[in-house]
Amino acid sequence: NAGVTQTPKFQVLKTGQSMTLQCAQDMNHEYMSWYRQDPGMGLRLIHYSVGAGITDQGEVPNGYNVSRSTTEDFPLRLLSAAPSQTSVYFCASSRGLGDTEAFFGQGTRLTVV
Amino acid sequence: LAKTTQPISMDSYEGQEVNITCSHNNIATNDYITWYQQFPSQGPRFIIQGYKTKVTNEVASLFIPADRKSSTLSLPRVSLSDTAVYYCLVGDNLKAAGNKLTFGGGTRVLVKP
Repeated sequence: NAGVTQTPKFQVLKTGQSMTLQCAQDMNHEYMSWYRQDPGMGLRLIHYSVGAGITDQGEVPNGYNVSRSTTEDFPLRLLSAAPSQTSVYFCASSRGLGDTEAFFGQGTRLTVV
Repeated sequence: LAKTTQPISMDSYEGQEVNITCSHNNIATNDYITWYQQFPSQGPRFIIQGYKTKVTNEVASLFIPADRKSSTLSLPRVSLSDTAVYYCLVGDNLKAAGNKLTFGGGTRVLVKP
């Protein structure tokens, strides 16, 4: 049972480039979400999804795009990378309404130069 | 969502009990208290959740007084591998679910030999 899998683990981008961070879960969870964590800080919610075809914005959505075409996958797109997006990105999933036990991936460390 | 306050850091020694107190003065009636643990370079991991009184599992205990304005996470007989950041989260399970978690700065626990 793999849980939540994120790829890649590390990425360096140039300012203005775009890329997609992949997230997949094999637990048949309804809810998935993306967080970013800056050095020495807690996690901040970027976007989340309560099911296939449904997404919504979190606390810091600007510069990011998401889609949820399947239950398993929830990719995060950086439209035009900026140095302020240098961070560690975590994907999480949970069973659904009323359940706050979230399962997190190992993270993607992104550097924008 | 209720704001939480917890110590920035704590030091302990192997074999000791570690108690981390979290203040949440404006906790709402429907709010639950949840603790996550995060090791360096990993995503957070759910430890324990409670609503009132005491909850215990194989990892930790959670003590919640009657007024619910604070809570204490207790880690019995810590080892070096318990060195991590511990986050206290407060929220309504039905509204927040697992995909809209609000993380504060956490408490950095260092266990020394």
